[in-house]
Amino acid sequence: DAKTTQPNSMESNEEEPVHLPCNHSTISGTDYIHWYRQLPSQGPEYVIHGLTSNVNNRMASLAIAEDRKSSTLILHRATLRDAAVYYCILRRGGSNYKLTFGKGTLLTVNP
Amino acid sequence: GAGVSQSPSNKVTEKGKDVELRCDPISGHTALYWYRQSLGQGLEFLIYFQGNSAPDKSGLPSDRFSAERTGGSVSTLTIQRTQQEDSAVYLCASSLAAGGFNEQYFGPGTRLTVT
Repeated sequence: DAKTTQPNSMESNEEEPVHLPCNHSTISGTDYIHWYRQLPSQGPEYVIHGLTSNVNNRMASLAIAEDRKSSTLILHRATLRDAAVYYCILRRGGSNYKLTFGKGTLLTVNP
Repeated sequence: GAGVSQSPSNKVTEKGKDVELRCDPISGHTALYWYRQSLGQGLEFLIYFQGNSAPDKSGLPSDRFSAERTGGSVSTLTIQRTQQEDSAVYLCASSLAAGGFNEQYFGPGTRLTVT
């Protein structure tokens, strides 16, 4: 799997937007960009995924650079419950079943 | 609906003993995965099941580790002759099917401590 690079940690204030970056310069054409997050003492949970176009769902938005070498997970209004480790993961379309987790970004949300 | 459940939530065992960890996936999910998260480390893939068969066991750290799945549902991860380095949180996940578009739903994990 291609490698992703994320900042070790980020900090935000409650009710402000948060932009979590991910670099994946060796991404291949069939790699999907997935984001999962892990709240304290819980298993990871799916957040969002995309291929080329920007994506929105009830949890977040995913902005993908035109050359696909980077992407940004956007939380529009951070809440205390969003404090977690966020993982950016590349998965080859179709056959790739396992998730390869890196270190992720630890997001701290200040009240 | 019910999510992925794992039992026990915590297990403390003595070095050299065998342990069994159980995973109940979401009903109807054909794919099941085991991961391990050691202190200060990321999550590492252990094994994946499609139905009752395990096409990929490449992540199992040694032959002391084995897993089975029966009835296309419950899975058990067994660690024989536990060692201190086996201490970790063992996470199970399931998905509707294997493959890149199917999100994986994780259980809360079993925290294993080997003394």
